[in-house]
Amino acid sequence: GAGVSQSPRYKVAKRGQDVALRCDPISGHVSLFWYQQALGQGPEFLTYFQNEAQLDKSGLPSDRFFAERPEGSVSTLKIQRTQQEDSAVYLCASSLVMVNEQFFGPGTRLTVL
Amino acid sequence: DQQVKQNSPSLSVQEGRISILNCDYTNSMFDYFLWYKKYPAEGPTFLISISSIKDKNEDGRFTVFLNKSAKHLSLHIVPSQPGDSAVYFCAASIGTDKLIFGTGTRLQVFP
Repeated sequence: GAGVSQSPRYKVAKRGQDVALRCDPISGHVSLFWYQQALGQGPEFLTYFQNEAQLDKSGLPSDRFFAERPEGSVSTLKIQRTQQEDSAVYLCASSLVMVNEQFFGPGTRLTVL
Repeated sequence: DQQVKQNSPSLSVQEGRISILNCDYTNSMFDYFLWYKKYPAEGPTFLISISSIKDKNEDGRFTVFLNKSAKHLSLHIVPSQPGDSAVYFCAASIGTDKLIFGTGTRLQVFP
């Protein structure tokens, strides 16, 4: 596709469930970022991949959060034992290497009950 | 601490007039700044950017100004159109590292 796609667009989970969020970056984009956006806030950085290498995971809020990009293309953000404070929009962005402009997907809205 | 600040949560402007959105930052290491526009239920869309070696960048109706000494940047939209109504986020980065976002300004352009 032409842009970054994310699935599912909406996810409702019961507290304690595990969830997996998928991101398909723009073809050829080496860099991939995950951000978390809480209501009324700007996106906040979670983690960054260059190809399959996870170069920065300093923004992951706890060890319940895990991200992977095994073949350097599609990425999955996994949240284990979800908590209510995990409720947010999770945004994926991709970019060409050494280029500042990041292109965002539509996000996945996660609601934890 | 909030490294990128957008102190105006909302702005209302008449169609045809200028919209000025402001952004302040605290980290002098930031060397690249971007503006994103966001509609409800969509991801942020890249609008315009500026490198710290410049003080102005223009693209059609959109101009970004950077004042490094004041650690301040602004986005000017002239003339404003109803389709410009959205939330605008300012973001900053060091090199091609992660983006640090402000909290956004909701712009409403009325007829």
